[in-house]
Amino acid sequence: EAGVAQSPRYKIIEKRQSVAFWCNPISGHATLYWYQQILGQGPKLLIQFQNNGVVDDSQLPKDRFSAERLKGVDSTLKIQPAKLEDSAVYLCASSLQGSYTDTQYFGPGTRLTVL
Amino acid sequence: DAKTTQPPSMDCAEGRAANLPCNHSTISGNEYVYWYRQIHSQGPQYIIHGLKNNETNEMASLIITEDRKSSTLILPHATLRDTAVYYCIVRGNTGRRALTFGSGTRLQVQP
Repeated sequence: EAGVAQSPRYKIIEKRQSVAFWCNPISGHATLYWYQQILGQGPKLLIQFQNNGVVDDSQLPKDRFSAERLKGVDSTLKIQPAKLEDSAVYLCASSLQGSYTDTQYFGPGTRLTVL
Repeated sequence: DAKTTQPPSMDCAEGRAANLPCNHSTISGNEYVYWYRQIHSQGPQYIIHGLKNNETNEMASLIITEDRKSSTLILPHATLRDTAVYYCIVRGNTGRRALTFGSGTRLQVQP
């Protein structure tokens, strides 16, 4: 079974530039999550999708971050404009139904450096 | 979801059992205890979860105390590949369905 795919693996940009990350979840998984992991900390949820609808985006900085999952499969996360404090690893995860007993499977992450 | 408390770091000798503790004194009756680990430069990986009873799978064993206020993850024969940050997470159906990660325990397996 193929795992969660993410690209790119690494990205370096200047502050105020824009950047986009892509995630392809495990086939058949209805729920997709984006997490932000700052160095030395645990991952923090940014947004959760159930199929192509948003379940939780309460911790997403909506003035600069946006995400979509148009066809209920793959997803993109965008930052515009980037700030220095956005330097982090962005992790995508998926689960079968999103219930609290579901296992979440994580991709390898995209490491973003903002200069 | 209830908060968890873990030691920031632990060492373990290769081939010995690694016992990673977690306190979750405010856990409620319908909340599960989950363990994930994160090896350097990888995404978190599911290990095991449980509600009340002890659980075992091919990776680890989970021991939950009778009052459910604490648990221990046991890696029976630690190898160098088990060096990682281990996260204990309490998750129930009344909170966010996503995972709430703390700082975890950094386990260093020594040769």
